[in-house]
Amino acid sequence: SQTIHQWPATLVQPVGSPLSLECTVEGTSNPNLYWYRQAAGRGLQLLFYSVGIGQISSEVPQNLSASRPQDRQFILSSKKLLLSDSGFYLCASNGQQGSGNTIYFGEGSWLTVV
Amino acid sequence: SQQGEEDPQALSIQEGENATMNCSYKTSINNLQWYRQNSGRGLVHLILIRSNEREKHSGRLRVTLDTSKKSSSLLITASRAADTASYFCATSPTSGTYKYIFGTGTRLKVLA
Repeated sequence: SQTIHQWPATLVQPVGSPLSLECTVEGTSNPNLYWYRQAAGRGLQLLFYSVGIGQISSEVPQNLSASRPQDRQFILSSKKLLLSDSGFYLCASNGQQGSGNTIYFGEGSWLTVV
Repeated sequence: SQQGEEDPQALSIQEGENATMNCSYKTSINNLQWYRQNSGRGLVHLILIRSNEREKHSGRLRVTLDTSKKSSSLLITASRAADTASYFCATSPTSGTYKYIFGTGTRLKVLA
């Protein structure tokens, strides 16, 4: 099985400050990687997914960006945070063959923008 | 946009009772998966059912899939207090295999 490491677990950032959330994956190679955001008590919104190094697909126009500098590393960034960026961010991974594979999640990062 | 919708949004039952949650989706899928999330944690995979399957069992879990109605149900039998969590369905659309879309979730509370 795969293990997803995600950090930091919690952060409080002022409006207008930059953001960097990092995610690394163990136990697989060439995975599909995902960033989801979850508002309090709500469902998961797919933000970005990546099928390979340097390949990023954005699902929702927003203040965020994603990068995949290495096969098993996925980074979520922002140059200037907005209050609406607050939420619970989840990194996820599944096997190279996307169809039919289990999705593994990290423990999430709580972001509060103040 | 999210295509999965779970029903009910919240469910409260007594320990030992069965809990049934439903999921509806909009497009053709390769498979449908159910996940569990404890408060403030990541999601954990429970069970996967493929588009050519109609029913699947895993321990106290039973999942059904009706592709003609674009719906699935998750049944947890003999519920326990430890089953208290949010449950999500996730679909893998045939158009866009890498994009897993999650529903809004059902918050289950099992009372001891």
